[in-house]
Amino acid sequence: IAGITQAPTSQILAAGRRMTLRCTQDMRHNAMYWYRQDLGLGLRLIHYSNTAGTTGKGEVPDGYSVSRANTDDFPLTLASAVPSQTSVYFCASSDEASASTDTQYFGPGTRLTVL
Amino acid sequence: GQNIDQPTEMTATEGAIVQINCTYQTSGFNGLFWYQQHAGEAPTFLSYNVLDGLEEKGRFSSFLSRSKGYSYLLLKELQMKDSASYLCAVLDSNYQLIWGAGTKLIIKP
Repeated sequence: IAGITQAPTSQILAAGRRMTLRCTQDMRHNAMYWYRQDLGLGLRLIHYSNTAGTTGKGEVPDGYSVSRANTDDFPLTLASAVPSQTSVYFCASSDEASASTDTQYFGPGTRLTVL
Repeated sequence: GQNIDQPTEMTATEGAIVQINCTYQTSGFNGLFWYQQHAGEAPTFLSYNVLDGLEEKGRFSSFLSRSKGYSYLLLKELQMKDSASYLCAVLDSNYQLIWGAGTKLIIKP
């Protein structure tokens, strides 16, 4: 593994189903983030984690949950998917969440379609 | 509210220079980032500004004026591979990145 990986690459999901998007990084970064990207809108933060064992809500957290059991993994769960959650989901990580010079590195994304 | 504004789309010619503007209104300021995103791919880091002035990095330069809430990304000697979206993002007082919707840059031969 090099950098950040996400799985699956894409998924079509029936409304009401539960789905977990996986994210793993091997850079030993403290902070990790989940964004969604929709056409015409900027990246919107769903949830974040400044360090293993802690999580926080971003701009659009409703309908999503996360956990951070260890440094490397940061899964995003949709408990009961709805069509408005159709989007491209990016996971990102950064070395230090509260540093002005901190740069976020992005995974390749998961394209999710909820029907 | 917090707001980042950048043009939706720009067109330029191969070999030319293009300037992509970004204006922002955020709760606090801890730096401004520019990212490049090719279609269907992840954003990748281009530049970071926290002090006023111009930062040059090869063909790309980024400028910041904190008093005006303004930044621009300057791309010189445009190449076809520069066709992409360019995302402006500001790190706010909570150290969260606020993102603009991005500027799609189309390069014509």
